[in-house]
Amino acid sequence: AQSVAQPEDQVNVAEGNPLTVKCTYSVSGNPYLFWYVQYPNRGLQFLLKYITGDNLVKGSYGFEAEFNKSQTSFHLKKPSALVSDSALYFCAVRAYGQNFVFGPGTRLSVLP
Amino acid sequence: KAGVTQTPRYLIKTRGQQVTLSCSPISGHRSVSWYQQTPGQGLQFLFEYFSETQRNKGNFPGRFSGRQFSNSRSEMNVSTLELGDSALYLCASSPGQGVYEQYFGPGTRLTVT
Repeated sequence: AQSVAQPEDQVNVAEGNPLTVKCTYSVSGNPYLFWYVQYPNRGLQFLLKYITGDNLVKGSYGFEAEFNKSQTSFHLKKPSALVSDSALYFCAVRAYGQNFVFGPGTRLSVLP
Repeated sequence: KAGVTQTPRYLIKTRGQQVTLSCSPISGHRSVSWYQQTPGQGLQFLFEYFSETQRNKGNFPGRFSGRQFSNSRSEMNVSTLELGDSALYLCASSPGQGVYEQYFGPGTRLTVT
């Protein structure tokens, strides 16, 4: 069975500082990993994905994520946080032929 | 390209009634998935359709059903509504299964009273 954990319900960071939102996963076989962001009263927006290849993937709005197979992690990062990055972030995993499984979400607050 | 559209956006129903939600995927996308989002349970997968066939199903009772039409549009139906069915129902589409990311609609907010 697939599962995703986001160990932090809430992450607070000051504007201009680097941010990390953590994600670990469990899946049989090769994982397809995704990050999504959700702003209030809106659907989820795709940020980036890892399918294969380079462990560091870059996505929208300056976000990047690093795939670590040995630690089964896929942490989301950004070098310099903006107040407008404040939102709910979801990590998701999918194995081939299976449905998406989403983590519980991490609320990011960037303080001015 | 137009994004994923969902209708209606808001819905209020009474316990015991049934409801049908509609989703129009991005043009050219053949896979449609449905999710239930609640504050307590997060995003829960309902079902996935590809080329009019249900490919995956989540752990929901049989009151929840769906279908996909030949133009890839999808509907989900919930019969005998319960208070616990109050949630944001999200539809997502993708070109296919596997490596593709999903693109989400704005959701339908269902309130059951």
